[in-house]
Amino acid sequence: ILNVEQSPQSLHVQEGDSTNFTCSFPSSNFYALHWYRWETAKSPEALFVMTLNGDEKKKGRISATLNTKEGYSYLYIKGSQPEDSATYLCAHAGGTSYGKLTFGQGTILTVHP
Amino acid sequence: DSGVTQTPKHLITATGQRVTLRCSPRSGDLSVYWYQQSLDQGLQFLIQYYNGEERAKGNILERFSAQQFPDLHSELNLSSLELGDSALYFCASSVGRVEDTQYFGPGTRLTVL
Repeated sequence: ILNVEQSPQSLHVQEGDSTNFTCSFPSSNFYALHWYRWETAKSPEALFVMTLNGDEKKKGRISATLNTKEGYSYLYIKGSQPEDSATYLCAHAGGTSYGKLTFGQGTILTVHP
Repeated sequence: DSGVTQTPKHLITATGQRVTLRCSPRSGDLSVYWYQQSLDQGLQFLIQYYNGEERAKGNILERFSAQQFPDLHSELNLSSLELGDSALYFCASSVGRVEDTQYFGPGTRLTVL
């Protein structure tokens, strides 16, 4: 993997469903993996920053895991609510440029009532 | 409200012109990041400043320049504007390390006619 890739591109779920998305990134020279939530007409809001292989973070119904050796992170939402509808972005820091965050294209989540 | 402010909110200008976007970081944050989000692309990292000095650079065009002032606010200067420069420009701030959370401002929407 040379870039940051997110899948799926979009997802439609029913209220109450649990869901998960994937972020794949280059596994060499890893520094950090960020997850953001971006609602329409607003700015990206930080969810998690993860730095260690095996890291697990949780915030309410949202949690994330990190595997730096194989270069992926999962974001889970338990019991999705309509207010969870947003674009979920991951961003990777690594490689030769310490300060640079490379963002994926995002997963657009729509939760139907 | 992330605590990061950006002005102006909207800017409409003509090709060939020069504009300046302004960003004030959260209190206590030393680092400022600039990102560009075009219609057909995800968030693209432009440049990072830390305590007045350039720390990391992305694919920033030569027509674009930035600086961070002693009071830590930052300006992004875009010159010889082209239609393709129309985008949403975000500023983010953090304490300074790549593993620190970045807090995004509301963005400046630039339209070049």
